[in-house]
Amino acid sequence: AQSVTQLGSHVSVSEGALVLLRCNYSSSVPPYLFWYVQYPNQGLQLLLKYTSAATLVKGINGFEAEFKKSETSFHLTKPSAHMSDAAEYFCAVSDQSGANSKLTFGKGITLSVRP
Amino acid sequence: EAQVTQNPRYLITVTGKKLTVTCSQNMNHEYMSWYRQDPGLGLRQIYYSMNVEVTDKGDVPEGYKVSRKEKRNFPLILESPSPNQTSLYFCASSLSRTGDAKGYTFGSGTRLTVV
Repeated sequence: AQSVTQLGSHVSVSEGALVLLRCNYSSSVPPYLFWYVQYPNQGLQLLLKYTSAATLVKGINGFEAEFKKSETSFHLTKPSAHMSDAAEYFCAVSDQSGANSKLTFGKGITLSVRP
Repeated sequence: EAQVTQNPRYLITVTGKKLTVTCSQNMNHEYMSWYRQDPGLGLRQIYYSMNVEVTDKGDVPEGYKVSRKEKRNFPLILESPSPNQTSLYFCASSLSRTGDAKGYTFGSGTRLTVV
């Protein structure tokens, strides 16, 4: 079985500060890993995706994430927060082996950005 | 424009009155899935479909039905809705179960309230 843990439900940063959203996963086989963003009253938009190529993945809007197998982590970072980054962020894992046909999501983290 | 279209966006209904939420994609995707989003629980998979006439249960299938008679459409059916099915529903599609270069493409969501 696969699972995703996103510790905490809310992160607040100042505009211009580093954004760090943590994600740890559990998977018995090599995973695909995703970060999605959900703005208020909208659907989910893909930020970035790890598919076993480069371990450091760059996404849209200046976000990036690093896959660390030894730590089973895929933390999302952005060097400088912008007010427009305020949203809910979901980490998700899927199974490369074919045994499990779904995308499993974490519970999400709400990011607030203070002026 | 490549997209997943859900209808309706908002729906208020009464307990026991059958309803259908439609989902259509124009990307010729084989894989489609339904999720529900609840506060503090993230997104949980209801049903998924690997292709036409191939569907299977996700994590929370009770009280729901689906069908996949055409590749582009994947309706979600609530035969006898109950208040615990009040939620935000998302349809998603992808070229494959593990997601393509764009990951999963999500619809804009359907906010369902059952009174």
